[in-house]
Amino acid sequence: DAKTTQPNSMESNEEEPVHLPCNHSTISGTDYIHWYRQLPSQGPEYVIHGLTSNVNNRMASLAIAEDRKSSTLILHRATLRDAAVYYCIEVADKIIFGKGTRLHILP
Amino acid sequence: GAGVSQSPSNKVTEKGKDVELRCDPISGHTALYWYRQSLGQGLEFLIYFQGNSAPDKSGLPSDRFSAERTGGSVSTLTIQRTQQEDSAVYLCASSLVSLASGSYEQYFGPGTRLTVT
Repeated sequence: DAKTTQPNSMESNEEEPVHLPCNHSTISGTDYIHWYRQLPSQGPEYVIHGLTSNVNNRMASLAIAEDRKSSTLILHRATLRDAAVYYCIEVADKIIFGKGTRLHILP
Repeated sequence: GAGVSQSPSNKVTEKGKDVELRCDPISGHTALYWYRQSLGQGLEFLIYFQGNSAPDKSGLPSDRFSAERTGGSVSTLTIQRTQQEDSAVYLCASSLVSLASGSYEQYFGPGTRLTVT
């Protein structure tokens, strides 16, 4: 079973930042935090991952709490193409997906 | 090709028939996963292959489901005596496991949409 909890859905306005929260209160010290997203009618795609430090890449930023029990995926400027289901996952030796957060972008 | 490929893209079969779904992972990727996704649902883990280790079959829903991976590359998921509840999109993913860092990305194929009538 998935070990993370996320809100079922969120809304954001286009061209505004989006903060997607995730709780992973049982995470172990060596498990990475990964984020994937699934656009409509497509397979999931990797977004970002991290262990302890905050991470940035061309798609997003990942802010990890100091106690590692939660993290936030940050889309700095949402576009309509960012509308998708976003999955936060604890990764040990395999990836178990939860239900994710369905992000709606309002034009 | 550079990505994970799956075939067929769509499969319609009659209840009770057997089906085989194929996955070609990215060359050099040692880990291979199968998931299924029912309409409007999240991904359900089925099975995981890692190198030459015994596969993790803990997600297979019944003994009608089996999978093999030949030569550490191509994988086939077989469903015997298909039932209507088997209708779903079956997704394959592969990853290059980095044992040193403990982190890796999964790359997903486009999926096979299975419809059991």
